[in-house]
Amino acid sequence: EPEVTQTPSHQVTQMGQEVILRCVPISNHLYFYWYRQILGQKVEFLVSFYNNEISEKSEIFDDQFSVERPDGSNFTLKIRSTKLEDSAMYFCASSPQGNEQFFGPGTRLTVL
Amino acid sequence: KQEVTQIPAALSVPEGENLVLNCSFTDSAIYNLQWFRQDPGKGLTSLLLIQSSQREQTSGRLNASLDKSSGRSTLYIAASQPGDSATYLCAVDNFNKFYFGSGTKLNVKP
Repeated sequence: EPEVTQTPSHQVTQMGQEVILRCVPISNHLYFYWYRQILGQKVEFLVSFYNNEISEKSEIFDDQFSVERPDGSNFTLKIRSTKLEDSAMYFCASSPQGNEQFFGPGTRLTVL
Repeated sequence: KQEVTQIPAALSVPEGENLVLNCSFTDSAIYNLQWFRQDPGKGLTSLLLIQSSQREQTSGRLNASLDKSSGRSTLYIAASQPGDSATYLCAVDNFNKFYFGSGTKLNVKP
């Protein structure tokens, strides 16, 4: 059964460094999403992406964040200058038609 | 802003019991509602999606209902099993902005 995959599973970085989190959505899905979950807190929506552009973004998704679909398979989230409070689990999701979403296993980001 | 609340926060039941998990939301202008399970340290597994025009969806031992006008959804689990132990999350789609509840942590005792 097709799955969303994410790499790396765990990323450790120093405050102020740039990180890129990678996702491979399910083939033929058209809608892509990023979420984060700080330990012990709710899953929070960051951004949705369709037709090579951002559809919606939350208040969390400020100028430090960007998303890209560099080729036909990958979907990336870049954080330009990481802060301690960016430490969280980051989930990628994809959807065939913008309805049911399928999540990846997540990337745990630790900012030191 | 949409607020999603899930009650109870935690639930412990003996194996075989039927149970109901609740999800409420403040803004009824939703596109759809989706139920997930999350196992510790893992991603989210989709259980059921209910479109705004639907009132319920069923998959195996799971049944989810949606009452948009009252801002409520319930997830009914029949004949619970230890393997059902997980955190159950509901998420609402406010037309491409998504809001999650805090989840109900379910423990099914053998």
